[in-house]
Amino acid sequence: DAGVTQSPTHLIKTRGQQVTLRCSPKSGHDTVSWYQQALGQGPQFIFQYYEEEERQRGNFPDRFSGHQFPNYSSELNVNALLLGDSALYLCASGWWGNQPQHFGDGTRLSIL
Amino acid sequence: AQKITQTQPGMFVQEKEAVTLDCTYDTSDPSYGLFWYKQPSSGEMIFLIYQGSYDQQNATEGRYSLNFQKARKSANLVISASQLGDSAMYFCAMREGTGNQFYFGTGTSLTVIP
Repeated sequence: DAGVTQSPTHLIKTRGQQVTLRCSPKSGHDTVSWYQQALGQGPQFIFQYYEEEERQRGNFPDRFSGHQFPNYSSELNVNALLLGDSALYLCASGWWGNQPQHFGDGTRLSIL
Repeated sequence: AQKITQTQPGMFVQEKEAVTLDCTYDTSDPSYGLFWYKQPSSGEMIFLIYQGSYDQQNATEGRYSLNFQKARKSANLVISASQLGDSAMYFCAMREGTGNQFYFGTGTSLTVIP
C-alpha cells in the first residue's frame, strides 16, 4: 500500500521562475493539503483540496495556487519565485473530516 | 497568539530512559484534535499519536503516550525506553473543530545518547 508520494524530491530554481510540485495521496484518501516548512520551523499550512476544490487556505499570497485531479492527486504551483520561497514543501493526505493526515517525504525547493 | 507552543528547542535523553516533550495549545473551540509527528533528518513526517478533545483517557501507541491535561491545555508526549532511532525532530500539531488545517509548533530536537 503506497503512502503519499511527492515529486520531485529536490528542485533548484531562480528568482522569478515558476515551479510545479506534485503529490499522489495515500490510497483511499480524498483530501490533499500542502504545507511549507522553512528551515528550523514547523510546517505552515498553504491550502487544502477536496473534490477538486480549494476548501481552506492559509496565509499565503496568490502566487501559490493548486489543483486537484479526479484521481485525487494534486499539484502546487508557485509563480514569481522569491528567495524566501526556499523551503521543504510537504503534501499530506487524509479523509475529508477525519484524521490524522499522512505526509509525504517532501520536495526540497531551493531558490537561487 | 501561537496555537501550538513547544518550549524545548532541544532535548537529550540516555538510551533506554523515558523522556517527556512538552506541548501547550491555545484554542477556544471545544472540539479539537492533538497530534504528534516525528521528522527524521530525511524530512518525512511520521504520525505518532492522536488525542481528541473529548477522549477521556490518555492516548497510547506502543512506546508513545500522550499526557493530556485539558485544563492546562497541555499535550505532552512521553517516549518510554528511548532508542537511538528516536533521535529526530518532534512536532506537536492541532486541528480545530471541523477545519482541516493543522497548526504545528516549532518542534523539539531529541537526541538519544548511547
